[in-house]
Amino acid sequence: SAVISQKPSRDICQRGTSLTIQCQVDSQVTMMFWYRQQPGQSLTLIATANQGSEATYESGFVIDKFPISRPNLTFSTLTVSNMSPEDSSIYLCSVRGETEAFFGQGTRLTVV
Amino acid sequence: QKEVEQDPGPLSVPEGAIVSLNCTYSNSAFQYFMWYRQYSRKGPELLMYTYSSGNKEDGRFTAQVDKSSKYISLFIRDSQPSDSATYLCAMRGLGYGQNFVFGPGTRLSVLP
Repeated sequence: SAVISQKPSRDICQRGTSLTIQCQVDSQVTMMFWYRQQPGQSLTLIATANQGSEATYESGFVIDKFPISRPNLTFSTLTVSNMSPEDSSIYLCSVRGETEAFFGQGTRLTVV
Repeated sequence: QKEVEQDPGPLSVPEGAIVSLNCTYSNSAFQYFMWYRQYSRKGPELLMYTYSSGNKEDGRFTAQVDKSSKYISLFIRDSQPSDSATYLCAMRGLGYGQNFVFGPGTRLSVLP
């Protein structure tokens, strides 16, 4: 298993601002994943972050809105840009083992 | 039709009851099946995973997969108040690059 530290754990932000979420893993991993979890809905994959290359975004998510950095094999950041109340959600960092996915504790974002 | 369906609950049971949580899915390519438990304000933690059809037991928890019916279950015996959480099913196909697909989660409350 992997230990994933994510921060901040929660934040309340003004609309129009940006928030950067950090994710640290206790071991080197090739791919790191960013999810969004909205109330009552399934976890939705935002993007896959590979070290040394641009992130791969899922349909409905774009780099300008959710820029991602992956400077090394244990760290990644997700920025939520130009926030609106619709961005209020839980954002989760994830890595994968042989068969399973492991998650950080999540960042609960409220945009007011 | 959503790829993975799960009754969101909430489901309330008395302490000591047997709990049955279920998911149905539509993609016959899914081969790995997982159950995650998510406490409030925490990230999902892996409870159990199974490969293909069959049963798997771990303490009070039993996971069942019926691929012919595209139906998976998680049973919790002798439920405890500490089992109160949201339970998410997840699944994916063969191959490391296969995306995980999650159910929306069932919120369970075990009443003392």
